[in-house]
Amino acid sequence: EAQVTQNPRYLITVTGKKLTVTCSQNMNHEYMSWYRQDPGLGLRQIYYSMNVEVTDKGDVPEGYKVSRKEKRNFPLILESPSPNQTSLYFCASSLIAGAYEQYFGPGTRLTVT
Amino acid sequence: GENVEQHPSTLSVQEGDSAVIKCTYSDSASNYFPWYKQELGKGPQLIIDIRSNVGEKKDQRIAVTLNKTAKHFSLHITETQPEDSAVYFCAATVLYNQGGKLIFGQGTELSVKP
Repeated sequence: EAQVTQNPRYLITVTGKKLTVTCSQNMNHEYMSWYRQDPGLGLRQIYYSMNVEVTDKGDVPEGYKVSRKEKRNFPLILESPSPNQTSLYFCASSLIAGAYEQYFGPGTRLTVT
Repeated sequence: GENVEQHPSTLSVQEGDSAVIKCTYSDSASNYFPWYKQELGKGPQLIIDIRSNVGEKKDQRIAVTLNKTAKHFSLHITETQPEDSAVYFCAATVLYNQGGKLIFGQGTELSVKP
């Protein structure tokens, strides 16, 4: 089944404790992206990757890191989480950037206390 | 850069009625406008899209219209059913050879009451 998987689905952590949210897709897509969803703000792009070893900042990259060492995986790293990073996070992939349907993962609900 | 405004933020209709969600965009170069539906506990899923060379597109009970002059596009759902209840996002992008970056609206929470 074609899908994007994310782990964990729910995470509660404390300020400053490094965490990684994994994302994997099985559709051989070139493009992968991370979004955060906040009430009244819609989906905002954090980082994106056009291909392996190619990543770039989205609209709200501060406090986040990513890497793309393999085509299928695109982890999101929070080196020192803060309460303002409490949000719902989505990973997405598409054949190429923007032009085709983006497939979203099920989301990761992160709470930073 | 592109900015997309979406209205209303919440919409409640009776089963069988129609629902309309409207979006405006700022970049006149935008040429691709998808709509995503997000059901509770799930990620958004593409339900319909339209390109700038088309004024209207329909797929069963859903349709999208585009007015390039006014820079706005709308989602129309007819004969609404309880399973249409979800959050809907519009988006806009400028397509080019390497692709394009989707800019999303703020979302509309649609509630269809039986």
